[in-house]
Amino acid sequence: SQQGEEDPQALSIQEGENATMNCSYKTSINNLQWYRQNSGRGLVHLILIRSNEREKHSGRLRVTLDTSKKSSSLLITASRAADTASYFCATMDSNYQLIWGAGTKLIIKP
Amino acid sequence: ETGVTQSPTHLIKTRGQQVTLRCSSQSGHNTVSWYQQALGQGPQFIFQYYREEENGRGNFPPRFSGLQFPNYSSELNVNALELDDSALYLCASSRELAGNSYNEQFFGPGTRLTVL
Repeated sequence: SQQGEEDPQALSIQEGENATMNCSYKTSINNLQWYRQNSGRGLVHLILIRSNEREKHSGRLRVTLDTSKKSSSLLITASRAADTASYFCATMDSNYQLIWGAGTKLIIKP
Repeated sequence: ETGVTQSPTHLIKTRGQQVTLRCSSQSGHNTVSWYQQALGQGPQFIFQYYREEENGRGNFPPRFSGLQFPNYSSELNVNALELDDSALYLCASSRELAGNSYNEQFFGPGTRLTVL
């Protein structure tokens, strides 16, 4: 079963615009991680936010975490064609295992 | 490039056969996790190995088994293949304390298994 649910399932925007993806989860977590996957290949770790953190930045990425609402968002600013990929959130549960959502497919149009 | 390698890249098997997939973890990493990813879905956790012992298992039947070797590389074995086993199999390595998946996982490129 999958813990996280990403929203939207797919997102298509123009290059240069900002992209926002959301993730909701069901149980308490130790941390939440965002990953990117290109064309069904290996996943690339983007950012990890711990349960006691509310916001984190990494380059053009901004992640927020609201544990009271059991939700997180990933913002990619000034999008580029190379950002086209699927984005997944993964939550670490109380057994210290990663549980994944179904992903958001992001398409950046030139 | 994460330093995690998997072999083979692609594999085609027939129903009922057995398959072994291999993963070499990144240098310095002691934990390997295996995931199954069906087309259009997120990864599903199969199991994790920490210091050569299974350390956590997802909702997969016993015909999915694994090994971790002293050099921390790992194998995933699947017996009696079924059509639904067709998927991308991903391994990820990390450096953990006490077998907890607390840190970033580094993924290999995956093995695409097709069962006919």
